[in-house]
Amino acid sequence: NAGVTQTPKFRILKIGQSMTLQCTQDMNHNYMYWYRQDPGMGLKLIYYSVGAGITDKGEVPNGYNVSRSTTEDFPLRLELAAPSQTSVYFCASNQIEGNTEAFFGQGTRLTVV
Amino acid sequence: AQSVTQLGSHVSVSEGALVLLRCNYSSSVPPYLFWYVQYPNQGLQLLLKYTSAATLVKGINGFEAEFKKSETSFHLTKPSAHMSDAAEYFCAVSPNTGFQKLVFGTGTRLLVSP
Repeated sequence: NAGVTQTPKFRILKIGQSMTLQCTQDMNHNYMYWYRQDPGMGLKLIYYSVGAGITDKGEVPNGYNVSRSTTEDFPLRLELAAPSQTSVYFCASNQIEGNTEAFFGQGTRLTVV
Repeated sequence: AQSVTQLGSHVSVSEGALVLLRCNYSSSVPPYLFWYVQYPNQGLQLLLKYTSAATLVKGINGFEAEFKKSETSFHLTKPSAHMSDAAEYFCAVSPNTGFQKLVFGTGTRLLVSP
């Protein structure tokens, strides 16, 4: 099984550019999440979705947007890249409610210069 | 609000020694607790989880953790470290009702020396 797939794995952006980080899961999970990981800071929740058409902000949503048009896909959009968005981004998914395990993608390492 | 505190950003052990990674949580409702492991350049993988059943939880790769409500702790242990255990470990908490959003600790990097 593919699980959670993120693309690209690496990207360098210039300040002010925009890009979309892609995330797809093939487990028919209702819940999907975007986290960013910064050294010594753990993982911070950017946005999450409880199902197609439903999204909500996490702890650090500023500078990002998301959409959830299908159960499988949960892309993260950066509109005007800033150096503060240099980070490793992880997408995750799990089943609705219950104590179910969250499955993580391999991550996207983004550098904004 | 829920939070977790992981004591020690780095822990060094010798191969064969006991591994102890500390996690204390804060939660106004009964929590679910998790330990995840992250190997270099990879995503997070679940090691084990506490979901209000047995307080001593066994996970993969010989790890276990004990939920102690009186100490609000969920420390991760392994009797004998192996070189392959070198990784970063994250403790996480979520409420056990409603939307179960994971809140992560800052992580502990485990270093294992020969």
